Amino acid sequence: DQQVKQNSPSLSVQEGRISILNCDYTNSMFDYFLWYKKYPAEGPTFLISISSIKDKNEDGRFTVFLNKSAKHLSLHIVPSQPGDSAVYFCAASHTGNQFYFGTGTSLTVIP
Amino acid sequence: EAGVAQSPRYKIIEKRQSVAFWCNPISGHATLYWYQQILGQGPKLLIQFQNNGVVDDSQLPKDRFSAERLKGVDSTLKIQPAKLEDSAVYLCASSLYGAVSTEAFFGQGTRLTVV
Repeated sequence: DQQVKQNSPSLSVQEGRISILNCDYTNSMFDYFLWYKKYPAEGPTFLISISSIKDKNEDGRFTVFLNKSAKHLSLHIVPSQPGDSAVYFCAASHTGNQFYFGTGTSLTVIP
Repeated sequence: EAGVAQSPRYKIIEKRQSVAFWCNPISGHATLYWYQQILGQGPKLLIQFQNNGVVDDSQLPKDRFSAERLKGVDSTLKIQPAKLEDSAVYLCASSLYGAVSTEAFFGQGTRLTVV
Protein backbone atom coordinates (compact mmCIF):
# COMPACT_ATOMS: atom_id res chain seq x y z
CA ASP A 1 0.00 0.00 0.00
CA GLN A 2 1.41 3.34 -1.08
CA GLN A 3 0.84 5.66 1.86
CA VAL A 4 2.84 8.49 0.34
CA LYS A 5 2.28 9.42 -3.28
CA GLN A 6 4.07 11.70 -5.68
CA ASN A 7 1.88 11.68 -8.74
CA SER A 8 4.20 13.64 -11.01
CA PRO A 9 7.16 11.49 -12.08
CA SER A 10 8.86 14.45 -13.70
CA LEU A 11 8.82 18.25 -13.86
CA SER A 12 10.67 20.73 -16.07
CA VAL A 13 11.09 24.36 -15.08
CA GLN A 14 12.98 27.31 -16.53
CA GLU A 15 15.89 28.64 -14.50
CA GLY A 16 14.76 31.47 -12.23
CA ARG A 17 11.15 30.33 -12.11
CA ILE A 18 9.36 28.56 -9.28
CA SER A 19 9.40 24.76 -8.99
CA ILE A 20 6.47 23.21 -7.14
CA LEU A 21 6.68 19.55 -6.20
CA ASN A 22 3.64 17.88 -4.71
CA CYS A 23 3.11 14.99 -2.34
CA ASP A 24 -0.06 13.39 -0.97
CA TYR A 25 -0.42 10.98 1.92
CA THR A 26 -3.22 8.76 3.16
CA ASN A 27 -2.37 8.11 6.81
CA SER A 28 -3.80 10.85 9.04
CA MET A 29 -1.47 9.70 11.86
CA PHE A 30 1.60 10.99 10.05
CA ASP A 31 3.03 13.91 11.99
CA TYR A 32 6.44 14.52 10.49
CA PHE A 33 7.37 15.07 6.88
CA LEU A 34 10.67 15.41 5.09
CA TRP A 35 11.92 16.15 1.61
CA TYR A 36 15.04 14.48 0.28
CA LYS A 37 17.01 15.29 -2.84
CA LYS A 38 18.85 12.63 -4.79
CA TYR A 39 21.50 12.98 -7.49
CA PRO A 40 22.33 9.98 -9.72
CA ALA A 41 24.59 7.37 -8.09
CA GLU A 42 24.31 9.08 -4.72
CA GLY A 43 22.19 8.45 -1.66
CA PRO A 44 19.31 10.81 -0.82
CA THR A 45 20.27 13.93 1.11
CA PHE A 46 18.00 15.70 3.55
CA LEU A 47 16.57 18.96 2.29
CA ILE A 48 13.84 20.27 4.60
CA SER A 49 11.26 19.00 7.07
CA ILE A 50 8.02 20.05 8.68
CA SER A 51 6.07 18.79 11.66
CA SER A 52 2.31 18.62 11.75
CA ILE A 53 2.06 21.49 14.21
CA LYS A 54 3.17 23.88 11.48
CA ASP A 55 1.83 24.62 8.03
CA LYS A 56 4.94 26.20 6.56
CA ASN A 57 8.67 25.90 6.95
CA GLU A 58 11.19 27.94 5.03
CA ASP A 59 14.90 27.47 4.47
CA GLY A 60 16.47 29.80 1.96
CA ARG A 61 15.08 29.08 -1.48
CA PHE A 62 13.13 26.08 -0.20
CA THR A 63 9.71 26.24 1.43
CA VAL A 64 7.53 23.33 2.42
CA PHE A 65 3.80 23.79 2.87
CA LEU A 66 1.58 21.34 4.75
CA ASN A 67 -2.18 21.13 4.35
CA LYS A 68 -3.30 18.58 6.93
CA SER A 69 -6.96 18.65 6.00
CA ALA A 70 -6.09 17.77 2.40
CA LYS A 71 -3.26 15.43 3.45
CA HIS A 72 -1.04 17.28 1.03
CA LEU A 73 2.36 18.85 1.16
CA SER A 74 4.35 20.72 -1.40
CA LEU A 75 7.92 21.88 -1.86
CA HIS A 76 8.52 25.25 -3.47
CA ILE A 77 11.92 26.16 -4.88
CA VAL A 78 12.35 29.82 -5.72
CA PRO A 79 14.27 30.73 -7.78
CA SER A 80 15.05 27.39 -9.41
CA GLN A 81 18.67 26.80 -10.41
CA PRO A 82 20.21 24.20 -12.76
CA GLY A 83 21.92 22.60 -9.74
CA ASP A 84 18.48 21.81 -8.34
CA SER A 85 17.99 19.22 -11.08
CA ALA A 86 17.59 15.96 -9.17
CA VAL A 87 14.99 13.48 -7.97
CA TYR A 88 13.00 14.73 -4.98
CA PHE A 89 11.41 12.32 -2.52
CA CYS A 90 8.93 13.20 0.15
CA ALA A 91 8.71 11.02 3.24
CA ALA A 92 6.30 10.84 6.15
CA SER A 93 6.28 9.21 9.56
CA HIS A 94 4.29 8.87 12.75
CA THR A 95 6.21 9.80 15.92
CA GLY A 96 9.54 9.30 14.22
CA ASN A 97 9.07 5.65 13.53
CA GLN A 98 9.29 4.15 10.07
CA PHE A 99 9.46 6.72 7.29
CA TYR A 100 7.36 6.04 4.22
CA PHE A 101 8.77 7.43 0.99
CA GLY A 102 7.01 8.52 -2.17
CA THR A 103 8.16 7.36 -5.59
CA GLY A 104 9.98 10.58 -6.35
CA THR A 105 9.70 13.45 -8.82
CA SER A 106 12.54 14.12 -11.25
CA LEU A 107 13.08 17.87 -11.53
CA THR A 108 14.90 19.35 -14.50
CA VAL A 109 15.79 23.03 -14.37
CA ILE A 110 16.46 24.32 -17.84
CA PRO A 111 19.13 27.04 -18.11
CA GLU B 1 32.42 14.73 9.32
CA ALA B 2 32.62 11.41 7.48
CA GLY B 3 29.37 10.25 5.95
CA VAL B 4 27.69 6.86 5.91
CA ALA B 5 29.97 4.36 4.20
CA GLN B 6 28.65 1.39 2.28
CA SER B 7 30.34 -1.40 0.37
CA PRO B 8 30.40 -2.74 -2.20
CA ARG B 9 28.99 -0.10 -4.57
CA TYR B 10 27.88 -2.67 -7.11
CA LYS B 11 27.25 -6.40 -7.00
CA ILE B 12 26.06 -8.85 -9.64
CA ILE B 13 25.10 -12.36 -8.56
CA GLU B 14 23.13 -15.25 -9.91
CA LYS B 15 19.80 -16.17 -8.39
CA ARG B 16 20.03 -18.52 -5.41
CA GLN B 17 23.48 -17.19 -4.52
CA SER B 18 24.20 -15.33 -1.30
CA VAL B 19 25.33 -11.73 -0.90
CA ALA B 20 26.25 -9.45 1.97
CA PHE B 21 26.37 -5.68 2.24
CA TRP B 22 28.26 -3.65 4.80
CA CYS B 23 27.47 -0.28 6.35
CA ASN B 24 29.45 2.00 8.64
CA PRO B 25 27.22 4.76 9.99
CA ILE B 26 28.22 8.25 11.03
CA SER B 27 30.12 8.16 14.31
CA GLY B 28 27.82 8.59 17.29
CA HIS B 29 24.60 7.85 15.40
CA ALA B 30 22.52 5.48 17.47
CA THR B 31 19.95 4.63 14.81
CA LEU B 32 20.76 2.70 11.66
CA TYR B 33 18.39 1.87 8.82
CA TRP B 34 18.51 -0.42 5.82
CA TYR B 35 16.29 0.55 2.90
CA GLN B 36 15.55 -1.23 -0.36
CA GLN B 37 14.91 0.95 -3.40
CA ILE B 38 13.58 -0.86 -6.44
CA LEU B 39 13.87 1.00 -9.72
CA GLY B 40 11.07 3.56 -10.09
CA GLN B 41 10.03 3.31 -6.45
CA GLY B 42 10.85 5.16 -3.28
CA PRO B 43 13.04 3.65 -0.59
CA LYS B 44 11.31 1.03 1.56
CA LEU B 45 12.50 0.38 5.10
CA LEU B 46 13.74 -3.14 5.66
CA ILE B 47 15.06 -2.87 9.20
CA GLN B 48 15.78 -0.22 11.82
CA PHE B 49 18.31 -0.62 14.63
CA GLN B 50 18.59 1.45 17.78
CA ASN B 51 22.16 0.81 18.92
CA ASN B 52 22.40 -2.96 18.50
CA GLY B 53 18.73 -3.73 19.06
CA VAL B 54 16.07 -4.12 16.36
CA VAL B 55 13.33 -1.47 16.49
CA ASP B 56 11.39 -2.42 13.36
CA ASP B 57 11.89 -5.30 10.95
CA SER B 58 8.28 -5.72 9.90
CA GLN B 59 9.07 -5.43 6.19
CA LEU B 60 12.18 -7.60 6.19
CA PRO B 61 11.62 -10.89 4.29
CA LYS B 62 13.03 -12.95 7.11
CA ASP B 63 13.06 -16.19 5.16
CA ARG B 64 15.93 -14.87 3.06
CA PHE B 65 17.10 -11.55 4.53
CA SER B 66 19.02 -11.10 7.75
CA ALA B 67 20.78 -8.15 9.32
CA GLU B 68 22.90 -7.56 12.35
CA ARG B 69 24.53 -4.65 14.05
CA LEU B 70 27.18 -5.98 16.36
CA LYS B 71 28.42 -3.59 19.05
CA GLY B 72 25.94 -0.99 17.88
CA VAL B 73 28.17 0.39 15.15
CA ASP B 74 28.71 -1.36 11.79
CA SER B 75 25.95 -3.38 10.22
CA THR B 76 25.68 -6.11 7.62
CA LEU B 77 22.67 -7.07 5.54
CA LYS B 78 22.60 -10.53 3.99
CA ILE B 79 20.42 -12.13 1.37
CA GLN B 80 20.43 -15.90 1.14
CA PRO B 81 19.33 -17.13 -1.35
CA ALA B 82 18.80 -14.19 -3.70
CA LYS B 83 15.86 -13.93 -6.08
CA LEU B 84 15.51 -11.91 -9.26
CA GLU B 85 13.12 -9.50 -7.53
CA ASP B 86 15.84 -8.59 -5.02
CA SER B 87 17.53 -6.52 -7.71
CA ALA B 88 17.55 -3.03 -6.21
CA VAL B 89 19.69 -0.40 -4.57
CA TYR B 90 20.23 -1.12 -0.87
CA LEU B 91 20.62 2.08 1.10
CA CYS B 92 21.99 2.36 4.59
CA ALA B 93 21.16 5.43 6.65
CA SER B 94 21.87 6.62 10.17
CA SER B 95 20.47 9.27 12.46
CA LEU B 96 21.49 10.76 15.76
CA TYR B 97 18.29 10.16 17.67
CA GLY B 98 16.06 7.13 17.83
CA ALA B 99 12.50 7.94 18.76
CA VAL B 100 12.56 11.59 17.77
CA SER B 101 11.83 12.47 14.19
CA THR B 102 14.99 13.71 12.64
CA GLU B 103 16.82 13.61 9.40
CA ALA B 104 18.59 10.46 8.35
CA PHE B 105 21.88 10.57 6.50
CA PHE B 106 22.14 8.12 3.63
CA GLY B 107 25.10 6.30 2.15
CA GLN B 108 25.61 6.01 -1.60
CA GLY B 109 23.97 2.61 -1.67
CA THR B 110 24.82 -0.79 -3.09
CA ARG B 111 23.30 -1.61 -6.44
CA LEU B 112 22.48 -5.31 -6.55
CA THR B 113 21.67 -7.06 -9.80
CA VAL B 114 20.42 -10.64 -9.60
CA VAL B 115 20.61 -12.51 -12.90
